[in-house]
Amino acid sequence: EVQLQQSGPELRRPGSSVKLSCKASGYSITDYLMHWVKHRPEHGLEWIGWIDPEDGETKYAQKFQSKATLTADTSSNTAYMQLSSLTSEDTATYFCARTVYFDYWGQGVMVTVSS
Amino acid sequence: DIQMTQSPASLSASLGETVTIECRASEDIYNGLAWYQQKPGKSPQLLIYNANSLHTGVPSRFSGSGSGTQYSLKINSLQSEDVASYFCQQYYNYPLTFGSGTKLEIK
Repeated sequence: EVQLQQSGPELRRPGSSVKLSCKASGYSITDYLMHWVKHRPEHGLEWIGWIDPEDGETKYAQKFQSKATLTADTSSNTAYMQLSSLTSEDTATYFCARTVYFDYWGQGVMVTVSS
Repeated sequence: DIQMTQSPASLSASLGETVTIECRASEDIYNGLAWYQQKPGKSPQLLIYNANSLHTGVPSRFSGSGSGTQYSLKINSLQSEDVASYFCQQYYNYPLTFGSGTKLEIK
């Protein structure tokens, strides 16, 4: 059974960074692109970018180019997203999702940025 | 960027009814469209991909149709467990973009 297990909720100060994880089971992460999506109720869903865990190639939405860094560790079958220079605008739920039409999603992780 | 305009924003229907949700793309997306269901506190679940292909395990009362810029999701014989938010997503071009969602309630 395919599952994407994300790390727990995070509380961070403005200006800091956070690294979120997404551990896949039931398949090898090298077989599919891993996408990341941001959700804020008042703004809907925003696509952040993808990583190809097989070779580390990444693609980002323009607005997240300097905000997010996607990496992957094939030995642990885990994808990561680091968010830097956090502001209140980064307070959101972040999902990892497999392949371009998101056939499987992680459970989401809430990131709260507050002083 | 491709804009996805979804309607209606909310919908109330009776059990057993058929409902339709629509998405309009700002340009031709060549059937690169998916539909998702999201229940409160849960992650979205894929229903339809490639505009009209039913994802594994999704009940056959869900169906997708459309082409070009106009797409729709139909739910036949509405059931109580269908209460959720539904949204579309285009994956024809980057950046991937989403509709604003439709909240479905039972009358």
